[in-house]
Amino acid sequence: DGGITQSPKYLFRKEGQNVTLSCEQNLNHDAMYWYRQDPGQGLRLIYYSQIVNDFQKGDIAEGYSVSREKKESFPLTVTSAQKNPTAFYLCASSFGQGANYGYTFGSGTRLTVV
Amino acid sequence: ILNVEQSPQSLHVQEGDSTNFTCSFPSSNFYALHWYRWETAKSPEALFVMTLNGDEKKKGRISATLNTKEGYSYLYIKGSQPEDSATYLCAFWGAQKLVFGQGTRLTINP
Repeated sequence: DGGITQSPKYLFRKEGQNVTLSCEQNLNHDAMYWYRQDPGQGLRLIYYSQIVNDFQKGDIAEGYSVSREKKESFPLTVTSAQKNPTAFYLCASSFGQGANYGYTFGSGTRLTVV
Repeated sequence: ILNVEQSPQSLHVQEGDSTNFTCSFPSSNFYALHWYRWETAKSPEALFVMTLNGDEKKKGRISATLNTKEGYSYLYIKGSQPEDSATYLCAFWGAQKLVFGQGTRLTINP
């Protein structure tokens, strides 16, 4: 079955460490996205990519980095520069990057800084 | 800054009752309004993508309406069932991205 796989489901990080969250899709979707969820807030866009080897900053990109070397993969690195990284992270994809395309989401990664 | 508001934030409904909730969004430069259902421990699932003023969409017992001129959309659930318990997210397409509301958390009491 086609879908998006995020791993790991839970991740613990020590302060000062970089960690990478994995997102893989087999839907042949061109566009991929990373969102962050904090309690009581809507999903906020971190980065998005419309095509391979290209990506744009979202609303809260500071302290994060991404790569898009393959169509299927869009990993997110949470760097030590991210001041408050503890959150729930969702990856999504869509067939195109336009208003009419619904998103398919992964099941998320919960990151906790210890 | 694009602002998408959903109300209420949470809602408890008796099984079998019907319910509705609201998504408010900017009424200018409208392109699309999305609704998603997010059950606990699962991935958000697309319900509707609405693009035209006056649009009405239906999926089983769930339906949605859209008023782009006044900037709101309603989601209706008829005859609520326990499996309808979820957080319902709306998202407004603006500035080349989806902007999400904070969600309405619906709990169906048996």
